[in-house]
Amino acid sequence: QQQVKQSPQSLIVQKGGISIINCAYENTAFDYFPWYQQFPGKGPALLIAIRPDVSEKKEGRFTISFNKSAKQFSLHIMDSQPGDSATYFCAAVKAAGNKLTFGGGTRVLVKP
Amino acid sequence: NAGVMQNPRHLVRRRGQEARLRCSPMKGHSHVYWYRQLPEEGLKFMVYLQKENIIDESGMPKERFSAEFPKEGPSILRIQQVVRGDSAAYFCASSPLRTGATGELFFGEGSRLTVL
Repeated sequence: QQQVKQSPQSLIVQKGGISIINCAYENTAFDYFPWYQQFPGKGPALLIAIRPDVSEKKEGRFTISFNKSAKQFSLHIMDSQPGDSATYFCAAVKAAGNKLTFGGGTRVLVKP
Repeated sequence: NAGVMQNPRHLVRRRGQEARLRCSPMKGHSHVYWYRQLPEEGLKFMVYLQKENIIDESGMPKERFSAEFPKEGPSILRIQQVVRGDSAAYFCASSPLRTGATGELFFGEGSRLTVL
C-alpha cells in the first residue's frame, strides 16, 4: 500500500525553467509534509517542509503548495539551476508518529 | 559536529553470508532509524530504535533481519543469509527528537550492499 504517491518519476528542465513535482497522500492523519533532496551517492537531506494549516511556503527558489481538501501537495523549483539536479522525495509523518513515509522520488535533471 | 556516520559504504556478499551495517548517530541524537532504498525506488522505513530499545520494527522483514542500538557503540543492522533481493542502499538516520515532532531526519551517506 503506497500511502504517498509522487509524480513524475523523472523530469528534465532547461536552466531557468520551473520544475514541478506533485504528491498525493491517503492518510488524513498525516500532519507534517517535508521534502528531501538527494544527490547521487549521498543521503537525503531536508529541503523544506509544510504543515496542512498553511497553503503555501516559500524558501528561496523552492515553494511548497498544499491543498488539504484534495490531499495533494507540490514542490515548485523556480529558476532551476544545474546544481538542482537531484532526486526529490516528498514525505509525510504524523505528529505523534515515529516514521517518515516517503514518495517514490522524482529524478530532476536541469540542462544548462 | 560530525554527521551520521555509516560503514561500510560498500559491501559485497555472496548469497548465504551475513551482512553487518553500522551507524553512529550525530552527537546528541538518541533516535536512530534505518531505511532501505531499492534501485530506482523510494525509501522504505525498516526500524526505529532508541538506546537499548527497539521502538518500531514494523518495516523489518520477519526473518533474517535484526537491528540493535546498544548502550555503548553504534547501531547495527544485521542481515543473515543474504539473498540477491537484499541488494540495496541502506540508510541510517538520526534525530534529537521523535520524527513526528519535527519531520526532520539527518541521514548518513548509506551503505550499499551488493549480493552476488
